[in-house]
Parts: sequence; C-alpha cells; structure tokens
Amino acid sequence: QQPVQSPQAVILREGEDAVINCSSSKALYSVHWYRQKHGEAPVFLMILLKGGEQKGHDKISASFNEKKQQSSLYLTASQLSYSGTYFCGTLVYNFNKFYFGSGTKLNVKP
Amino acid sequence: GAGVSQSPRYKVAKRGQDVALRCDPISGHVSLFWYQQALGQGPEFLTYFQNEAQLDKSGLPSDRFFAERPEGSVSTLKIQRTQQEDSAVYLCASSLGSAVILGYTFGSGTRLTVV
Repeated sequence: QQPVQSPQAVILREGEDAVINCSSSKALYSVHWYRQKHGEAPVFLMILLKGGEQKGHDKISASFNEKKQQSSLYLTASQLSYSGTYFCGTLVYNFNKFYFGSGTKLNVKP
Repeated sequence: GAGVSQSPRYKVAKRGQDVALRCDPISGHVSLFWYQQALGQGPEFLTYFQNEAQLDKSGLPSDRFFAERPEGSVSTLKIQRTQQEDSAVYLCASSLGSAVILGYTFGSGTRLTVV
C-alpha cells in the first residue's frame, strides 16, 4: 500500500531543477507532499485531490495523474532552503488509509 | 498553542521500562494522529482520534502500545515493556477536520531510544 518514491536521493546545485515522483499500485483519492528537515517535523507543502489537478506556490509545484496513480513534485530554480527529505502521502480509494512514501532526500549545494 | 507540541523531545529508556509520550495538539483541532518514524523511513500510522474517540488503532504494533485522549485535547502514547525495536521518532499530528483533505500539522516528535 505504501507509495514508491523516486529517486531516493538527489544532489543539486543552487538554481537547478528537480522532479520527485510518487507512484501507487492502488487507485488514489488524494496525494500530499511534505518536506522534513533533519531533526524537525514534516511540514505540509500541498495536497492534490482527484481530478488530475496541478498546484504550486513559489517555485514548487505538483501534479497528480489519477489515471496513472502517480504524482510528481517539481522544484524549479532550487534554493538552499529546499534541502531536506520530501515525502508523498497517499489516500487509497476504498481503504480509507493514508500511507507515506519512504522519502526522497534532496541536497542543494551552493 | 501555535503548533503541535510534543514532550519529551528525547527519551532514553532501558529495555523493559514503560514510557509515556505526550502530545498537545493545536487548540480546536479535532483530529489527532500518532505516527512512528524509523530512521530513514517515512512516517507509519499508529492510531487516530477524533475528539476523545479512538477511531482507528490498527497501526499499533503490539498490545504493549496504548494511546488515549481522554478529554479530546492532549493525548498520551504509552509503550509498556519497551523493546529495542521500539526505538524510533514518534510523531504526533493534528488537523482541524479531515487530515486527508486539509493536511497534517506535525509536532517535532519524540526520539525514543531503547537501550
């Protein structure tokens, strides 16, 4: 039930772009994205509901392809503050259960 | 309060000892969740409260784990006879309504180390 995230880790230079993917083997109702810095709480970034929507704020955006049961998080012109571990969380149809992926570690270097 | 508050921040327990972890959610948040996060992994669901009612405890790994929220605000996660495999960060999260629609606000967690 746990979604699969890829890649597991990314190293970027400041200003570069990155894409983090989250896919599920089950039909999804919604997808959440969170960022967690070392030793801190996960921080909510955005939620995407069924319907194939796309959202974004600042230079971080995400898409949700309901048919493919996957979501992607796009980070453009990355900043040092983007470093951390990104988790997707998924709500599976008919199970009423919410599962987090194992995370993608992003390291933005100057 | 302004955020979800958890205490203690760190806890070292000897194997076999009982521990109690506290969560103080955002005032007015109806939903409260406990998650367990192992090193390098995503959070895993333990249990869920709506007000004082524990609606889902399917994620509790054994009957040594017990959670309560008697007055619908502060919650306590108790682990009896701790084992080494219980070592993890325990995260509490709250939400005003449906977390899967509104998102979770997490506390900073309690890092439990069982020696």
